[in-house]
Amino acid sequence: SQQGEEDPQALSIQEGENATMNCSYKTSINNLQWYRQNSGRGLVHLILIRSNEREKHSGRLRVTLDTSKKSSSLLITASRAADTASYFCATDAYGNNRLAFGKGNQVVVIP
Amino acid sequence: GAGVSQTPSNKVTEKGKYVELRCDPISGHTALYWYRQSLGQGPEFLIYFQGTGAADDSGLPNDRFFAVRPEGSVSTLKIQRTERGDSAVYLCASSLNLAGGEQFFGPGTRLTVL
Repeated sequence: SQQGEEDPQALSIQEGENATMNCSYKTSINNLQWYRQNSGRGLVHLILIRSNEREKHSGRLRVTLDTSKKSSSLLITASRAADTASYFCATDAYGNNRLAFGKGNQVVVIP
Repeated sequence: GAGVSQTPSNKVTEKGKYVELRCDPISGHTALYWYRQSLGQGPEFLIYFQGTGAADDSGLPNDRFFAVRPEGSVSTLKIQRTERGDSAVYLCASSLNLAGGEQFFGPGTRLTVL
């Protein structure tokens, strides 16, 4: 079943702006991961944050995790046209990498 | 190095037919996962393998779906008596182990059941 739920589901921004998307989940988790998908095919792993971490950075990406609210956010700074994609959060509840994905955020970066 | 590969990239079949979808994981990855993604949705877990054994097949929708990984590398997802509702993109992923971490996804097989 889909556990993560991203919000907002569609975002259109100008190149150079920041993009923020949120994800909520229902059960306790071992870790939460964000993936990017272009053209409805293969997913690319962006970042993983463990349940005992609150914030993580990777390049232009910043992820936060609030386990008390069961929510996470992904921030993409200084967006580029190449960031246009769908972004999914996925939770690993059992520490075995069986991922439950949300419905995804569609982000369009306008050059 | 080579990533996860899946064949065929597209498969069109008729209702009631049998299909096999193949996944070649990254060499050395012991964990292999199958997901199914319908249009506008996130991937949905089907089954995962640790080595040759199916560690968790609880995501398979019914007994028409079966997957094998006989030598702990290549995996085949088999669907019997296909139905129109089986139409989706079937994604395969592999990871170094089951300890939790990055999954490497293949490009998927788009299955269309007419």
